[in-house]
Amino acid sequence: DTAVSQTPKYLVTQMGNDKSIKCEQNLGHDTMYWYKQDSKKFLKIMFSYNNKELIINETVPNRFSPKSPDKAHLNLHINSLELGDSAVYFCASSQDTGEQPQHFGDGTRLSIL
Amino acid sequence: SQQGEEDPQALSIQEGENATMNCSYKTSINNLQWYRQNSGRGLVHLILIRSNEREKHSGRLRVTLDTSKKSSSLLITASRAADTASYFCFPGNQFYFGTGTSLTVIP
Repeated sequence: DTAVSQTPKYLVTQMGNDKSIKCEQNLGHDTMYWYKQDSKKFLKIMFSYNNKELIINETVPNRFSPKSPDKAHLNLHINSLELGDSAVYFCASSQDTGEQPQHFGDGTRLSIL
Repeated sequence: SQQGEEDPQALSIQEGENATMNCSYKTSINNLQWYRQNSGRGLVHLILIRSNEREKHSGRLRVTLDTSKKSSSLLITASRAADTASYFCFPGNQFYFGTGTSLTVIP
């Protein structure tokens, strides 16, 4: 069984469109994250939710909006996509905040045309 | 930030050799974690070392931590082609990874 699953795996779309990426974890974890990995493999956190509450919100354009309907799901909606949004987006979860090992999904590769 | 910085950026070795990669960080931590990322996949947690530990082993992995120097190292012994991946350190409870060390193990 996949522990952290994200869909879609690939997303190719035009500049200016709105798109969503979904993430689900079946580990019973309380905390979920969204990361962005650029072409140089630098991995940076975007958001973190603990029990559906936003606890980390890094310097991310407000075109990006996370939504956590329950603690097993953390979706990412992106409005007005720009060329610079092209990256791989990873969802992750951990048992609690802070220092627990994180479990990652396999990423969503977003390409903006 | 607590961003870990891995060194070297790239490492290429023959199968059977040992691989050592290093990590430096900036401020005090409670623990440090190492992760592996295979091409096209998400990160996989390898090992966690607490700030009161100096060394930890897990199979062919050996991790050291020097809190006075704010550095850690990951040693993979008897490397295999399947160890080819990028390796990231994750200091403390901040959420920044570096760019990793890209390890290539040549069969």
